[in-house]
Amino acid sequence: GAGVSQSPRYKVAKRGQDVALRCDPISGHVSLFWYQQALGQGPEFLTYFQNEAQLDKSGLPSDRFFAERPEGSVSTLKIQRTQQEDSAVYLCASSLQKLWGGKNIQYFGAGTRLSVL
Amino acid sequence: AQSVTQPDIHITVSEGASLELRCNYSYGATPYLFWYVQSPGQGLQLLLKYFSGDTLVQGIKGFEAEFKRSQSSFNLRKPSVHWSDAAEYFCAVGAVGNTPLVFGKGTRLSVIA
Repeated sequence: GAGVSQSPRYKVAKRGQDVALRCDPISGHVSLFWYQQALGQGPEFLTYFQNEAQLDKSGLPSDRFFAERPEGSVSTLKIQRTQQEDSAVYLCASSLQKLWGGKNIQYFGAGTRLSVL
Repeated sequence: AQSVTQPDIHITVSEGASLELRCNYSYGATPYLFWYVQSPGQGLQLLLKYFSGDTLVQGIKGFEAEFKRSQSSFNLRKPSVHWSDAAEYFCAVGAVGNTPLVFGKGTRLSVIA
């Protein structure tokens, strides 16, 4: 597609439910990032994929958060047993090159706004 | 560790007036610097970037930014603001290479007639 696509755009979950957020990166982009943006804050890094390999998951806030990119294209961020503090906008970004691949630009999707009640 | 400070949480300017949004970064090596804009309900759109070379960089929508290494700053400017510029602006820093970005907390720009 022309840009990074994320779905759903909005998700309301009851506390304790599991959710899955999808990211479809720009075709051919090797790198994929997930960020979390709390209300009134800047985005914060969660995890990074190079093709299907998850090279960095240092930003995942707890073991309830899990991400995958099994075929090196579409990625899913899963949150188990959601809590109110998980309410945020989850942004996905993709870029053309590998880690340490030089001057790269990250292109962002519109995000998924998760509200946990 | 990298960090970005955007000192102004909210700025209001009149349409047609000039604009400067401040950004200070902390990074131990040569940084890659970015300005993104976020309209309500939208993702982040890249306005401009600095990798190396000329310290004054031009971006889209008439924006420019100047990298000043001595001041660890990368301020965003526009000579004449339009009502459609009202949005949230984020400054970000990255390491050399394709690494996760560290963002500031953003500056919300309001434009009045």
